[in-house]
Amino acid sequence: DQQVKQNSPSLSVQEGRISILNCDYTNSMFDYFLWYKKYPAEGPTFLISISSIKDKNEDGRFTVFLNKSAKHLSLHIVPSQPGDSAVYFCAASNSGGSNYKLTFGKGTLLTVNP
Amino acid sequence: DARVTQTPRDKVTEMGQEVTMRCQPILGHNTVFWYRQTMMQGLELLAYFRNRAPLDDSGMPKDRFSAEMPDATLATLKIQPSEPRDSAVYFCASGQSSGGFGELFFGEGSRLTVL
Repeated sequence: DQQVKQNSPSLSVQEGRISILNCDYTNSMFDYFLWYKKYPAEGPTFLISISSIKDKNEDGRFTVFLNKSAKHLSLHIVPSQPGDSAVYFCAASNSGGSNYKLTFGKGTLLTVNP
Repeated sequence: DARVTQTPRDKVTEMGQEVTMRCQPILGHNTVFWYRQTMMQGLELLAYFRNRAPLDDSGMPKDRFSAEMPDATLATLKIQPSEPRDSAVYFCASGQSSGGFGELFFGEGSRLTVL
């Protein structure tokens, strides 16, 4: 049972355009969400996060939007660059209590074409 | 430059052999996670530790997998006996869970191929 779902295995965009990566979750206890980026032969690296008390968090070219009622979040990259080509993982956590584990989606491969 | 270190980077072995993967978490981090990446499942959580105590290993096949933290600087994941379906990239990650949620820092992974 996938609690975090990334329904698009891949996405291709042109350099300079917007990339939108989507993520849905089913566990209503999740209250902290993160995006990780992964290049081939490397481990995932943290990109951006958002707490459930917010609906938007921005960091440079990257913005994450959270829609709690729809249990949906999205990552926007504007403008997209060829170096952004990577696998993007959405992750969620219940930050309360003593449990800090992350549940990941299956990832979306983003390709930014020059 | 603090980083999570994993060994080996690549391992090819035959079915039935024992495999041990090692992880050195970032100094001062009190949570350590083992994840497995496959094409079908993405990143699956196998086990995790907090202050060296195992908190959750429900993602591991118990009959063949075991995870331990002999000390604060070493985490191990052992597969005995290994099977072809264990072929995957295994990631170790560490973090600091003090007073709130912190991001996880991943190692570069151990790519396991079981023939």
